[in-house]
Amino acid sequence: DVKVTQSSRYLVKRTGEKVFLECVQDMDHENMFWYRQDPGLGLRLIYFSYDVKMKEKGDIPEGYSVSREKKERFSLILESASTNQTSMYLCASSREGLRSETQYFGPGTRLLVL
Amino acid sequence: AQSVTQLGSHVSVSEGALVLLRCNYSSSVPPYLFWYVQYPNQGLQLLLKYTTGATLVKGINGFEAEFKKSETSFHLTKPSAHMSDAAEYFCAVSDSGGNNRLAFGKGNQVVVIP
Repeated sequence: DVKVTQSSRYLVKRTGEKVFLECVQDMDHENMFWYRQDPGLGLRLIYFSYDVKMKEKGDIPEGYSVSREKKERFSLILESASTNQTSMYLCASSREGLRSETQYFGPGTRLLVL
Repeated sequence: AQSVTQLGSHVSVSEGALVLLRCNYSSSVPPYLFWYVQYPNQGLQLLLKYTTGATLVKGINGFEAEFKKSETSFHLTKPSAHMSDAAEYFCAVSDSGGNNRLAFGKGNQVVVIP
């Protein structure tokens, strides 16, 4: 069965802290994605990666960076957390290739920045 | 750029009544279309998707959607709502590139009234 796991379900951090969100998939997928979800705004793509060490900016990359050192793991980094980064963060993965490939999602990390 | 419009952030439906969630898309290439569901405190799960071929697509839990190119629509229906259908529903369209990016709508929060 397909599985995407995220390191934390809930996280509380202080303004200015460096925050790491980890995502691991066990499906040998090439593509991995980080989204943030806010009420009334749906899902917005922050960054995605189509191979190890490869990344591309999504629609809202400001204030975030990512790292993909191994195929199964994709990390989202908030260099200096701010209160406007309080949100639900969702990781997803998919096979490469066809535009019709399904994205598989993790359970999400709810981040509160105080 | 591809985009999706979902009207009505909150949808109330009586138990046993028809569920109808509307999705209209904009795409510069033949679209691949997806409906995802998010149950409380969970990640997104694929309900169904349209790639090519039959325009009426059946998904899990009794849901189906019909692709209508002339109307640029992909509305989701279920003949009889169940309490367990209370969730948030997202429509998405694939990006024109080959990297499996998706553009999501803002979602519909479905409330089922007993």
